[in-house]
Amino acid sequence: QSALTQPRSVSGSPGQSVTISCTGTSSDIGAYDYVSWVQQHPGRAPQVMISDVTKRPSGVPDRFSGSKSGNAASLTISGLQAEDEADYYCSSYTGTNTFVFGTGTHVTVL
Amino acid sequence: QVHLVQSGTEVKEPGASVRVSCKTSGYTFTDYAIHWVRQAPGQGLEWMGWINTGTGGLKYSQRFQARVTITSVTSATTVYLDLTSLTSEDTAVYFCSRSRGYSFDPWGQGTLVTVSS
Repeated sequence: QSALTQPRSVSGSPGQSVTISCTGTSSDIGAYDYVSWVQQHPGRAPQVMISDVTKRPSGVPDRFSGSKSGNAASLTISGLQAEDEADYYCSSYTGTNTFVFGTGTHVTVL
Repeated sequence: QVHLVQSGTEVKEPGASVRVSCKTSGYTFTDYAIHWVRQAPGQGLEWMGWINTGTGGLKYSQRFQARVTITSVTSATTVYLDLTSLTSEDTAVYFCSRSRGYSFDPWGQGTLVTVSS
């Protein structure tokens, strides 16, 4: 199972919106509505931001949103804030009880 | 509050094995599966496998199938990751994470395993 493909980096100014793409195949993202996103600050454990494509767990700011179309998913951060600077990873269920993560995207707040 | 607390840093020689533990608290242990995910220095997250702590059911990534064993002890609310035949490429931070549906929430603090002669 190959890693899902994400852009290496994206950037935006405070208050702007950025979107991170996550491209898979018809066997993972395209087959299941089980895409999630985690945020990881340097030296810290990841933290879930989005589950099941669009669901935002309690405590996650509503400026984070997720979507999916075909074999690709996206995470959008609206109203970018300094604390959003971090690495973001998508993940997908791939069937037969296995999972795969994306290659990771570093978000820079300019 | 849900907590996953992992064992400490390990330094191993090539060819050795390592065991990392993940002590859970704050919820009914057998209601949620536990995943193991690793992250090599400067690299991304890599899913290794998971265990259904209620049934004992297991699934490993094909990449680690031959070298990894995940076990759980209900009385201790603890899950273990055993990795054998270590090489320098196994140097990484190893995370446990509770399954939340098909996502990962929360995560342990991570355990650094360094493989070096």
